[in-house]
Amino acid sequence: ETGVTQSPTHLIKTRGQQVTLRCSSQSGHNTVSWYQQALGQGPQFIFQYYREEENGRGNFPPRFSGLQFPNYSSELNVNALELDDSALYLCASSPQTSWFQETQYFGPGTRLLVL
Amino acid sequence: AQSVAQPEDQVNVAEGNPLTVKCTYSVSGNPYLFWYVQYPNRGLQFLLKYITGDNLVKGSYGFEAEFNKSQTSFHLKKPSALVSDSALYFCAVRDRGAGNQFYFGTGTSLTVIP
Repeated sequence: ETGVTQSPTHLIKTRGQQVTLRCSSQSGHNTVSWYQQALGQGPQFIFQYYREEENGRGNFPPRFSGLQFPNYSSELNVNALELDDSALYLCASSPQTSWFQETQYFGPGTRLLVL
Repeated sequence: AQSVAQPEDQVNVAEGNPLTVKCTYSVSGNPYLFWYVQYPNRGLQFLLKYITGDNLVKGSYGFEAEFNKSQTSFHLKKPSALVSDSALYFCAVRDRGAGNQFYFGTGTSLTVIP
């Protein structure tokens, strides 16, 4: 069974640029969530996708957007990068049944640095 | 309003002693509570969860947690700490009454002293 994978592992961007982060969910999982973890903080929920549609969103501005593909992989897009966007971005997947009860399995994260 | 709180940033315990990492929560409906552990430069690993049923939940690596509805708490415990338990621990809650958000606490750094 393949776990959650994320790419790239590290990324450096400059303020104002756009970035796309990628996530492959664990086999058999069709729900994907994205989190932002700033240094020394707990993960902050960005949004969740279930069967290619967003079905939950945290307090993040519209410049944070996402996609989920038919194979349940997902992308997180961030436009107009700001210095405060520097963080570890975590992807998590969970299986279909009663997704709100299900354990989320996390990938290793993508560390984004905005200069 | 904060949905989950971990009042201790740091917990130190001697190897072999029992450990407790505290968590309190606030949600609008039934709580779905989770504990995760994070090792340096790693993603989060699931330890245990409470959905319904028995208030004492047993999880991975000998950890357990007790759901206390009256105190709105979900403290993580282990009878005998190991040095390898040293890590960052996060409590989390799913709030179905708030847009299906999944809230994490700020984390508690556990150090087990040999």
